[in-house]
Amino acid sequence: KQEVTQIPAALSVPEGENLVLNCSFTDSAIYNLQWFRQDPGKGLTSLLLIQSSQREQTSGRLNASLDKSSGRSTLYIAASQPGDSATYLCAAYQAGTALIFGKGTTLSVSS
Amino acid sequence: DAGVTQSPTHLIKTRGQHVTLRCSPISGHKSVSWYQQVLGQGPQFIFQYYEKEERGRGNFPDRFSARQFPNYSSELNVNALLLGDSALYLCASSSGVGVETNEKLFFGSGTQLSVL
Repeated sequence: KQEVTQIPAALSVPEGENLVLNCSFTDSAIYNLQWFRQDPGKGLTSLLLIQSSQREQTSGRLNASLDKSSGRSTLYIAASQPGDSATYLCAAYQAGTALIFGKGTTLSVSS
Repeated sequence: DAGVTQSPTHLIKTRGQHVTLRCSPISGHKSVSWYQQVLGQGPQFIFQYYEKEERGRGNFPDRFSARQFPNYSSELNVNALLLGDSALYLCASSSGVGVETNEKLFFGSGTQLSVL
């Protein structure tokens, strides 16, 4: 059974700092790994999708990497801003059509 | 184009009641998935429908059911509500069935269900 773990559960940084969020998964037989952002009480916004054959994806200040052999993915946020404050969720797309989510990392960026 | 829309946004029910949640996918999307997110947890998969057929079911009791209509909108029904059913219910749409196409899911803002 696939399990997705995110560390740390919460993170506080000053504005401008570069940071890394970690995601690990137990079963490497995934089709893709996705990162989402969730604002309090809201739905999920897709940030990046890394296919199983890819190593990384970039969008603006965000860069996500995938290492299937070690069961790890990281989300790198450059030059963080207060507007980046949110919960970041990673999810592994498993055979059988379902996304398996971690519990998320809640990020707070102070100005 | 409108994104994924869900209704209602908030709902308060009492134990034992029945609830129906509604979702309209992005225009042109044929797949709808439902997820339950309990406070402090990641979303958990409940159902996926594609072209009006159930394509996947998560580990939820039979009190949970869903259907997809010819216009690809979907309903999630929960019978005999329990306190533990209190959660944010999220709907997601995609154009294909998802796994084969490696495509992103687009989520609605969710329905916050409180069971008293």
